[in-house]
Amino acid sequence: EVQLLESGGGLVQPGGSLRLSCAASGFPFSTYWMHWVRQVPGEGPVWVSRIDNDGNTIYADSVRGRFIISRDNAKNTLYLQMNSLRAEDTAIYFCARDPLAHGSCYDIWGQGTMVTVS
Amino acid sequence: DIQMTQSPSSLSASVGDRVTITCRASQTVGRYLNWYQQKPGRAPKLLLYGASTLQGGVPSRFSGSGSETDFTLTITRLQPEDFATYYCEQTSSSPWTFGQGTNVEVK
Repeated sequence: EVQLLESGGGLVQPGGSLRLSCAASGFPFSTYWMHWVRQVPGEGPVWVSRIDNDGNTIYADSVRGRFIISRDNAKNTLYLQMNSLRAEDTAIYFCARDPLAHGSCYDIWGQGTMVTVS
Repeated sequence: DIQMTQSPSSLSASVGDRVTITCRASQTVGRYLNWYQQKPGRAPKLLLYGASTLQGGVPSRFSGSGSETDFTLTITRLQPEDFATYYCEQTSSSPWTFGQGTNVEVK
């Protein structure tokens, strides 16, 4: 079964750090571009970051310089290192698979992990 | 950033109705437009990509159209499982941006 499973969320103080993980299974992880998308409950999703299968990365302005997306293809795992966290980073964080690369969309999502900065 | 505006923000409909949701981009996005459905407590689900290509496994009562700045999601013969929130998303240029959502609720 194709699956993404996030972990690592929790409660952290402003200025703190957290590392999210996303374990992939059921598909050739190394060949897919991957994204992080976050969502404040009751609001729309917001794209956070993307890493392609060569390790190239892009970020939303709101997290650039504070968050780092990375991947370990040997472990089939995507990461999001979040530093200098702010209250406005509080959200559910989803990892998502991009089947299209150029043009992007997210066909497989994890269940999400909640990050609370307070 | 490209702003995505959906209308309406919410609508009430009955099973069997035809529902149309509009998404407008603040600048052209070509056909790099996706539609997602989200139910409470769940991750979004991809319905259509490339403005009109149906994702595998999605019922054919869902369809999309449009290009450049104006797009439409249509649900023909609304089913009970279709009551949810729908989001459009542009992936023409970074940062990818979503609309604010359209909540389809029971009339």
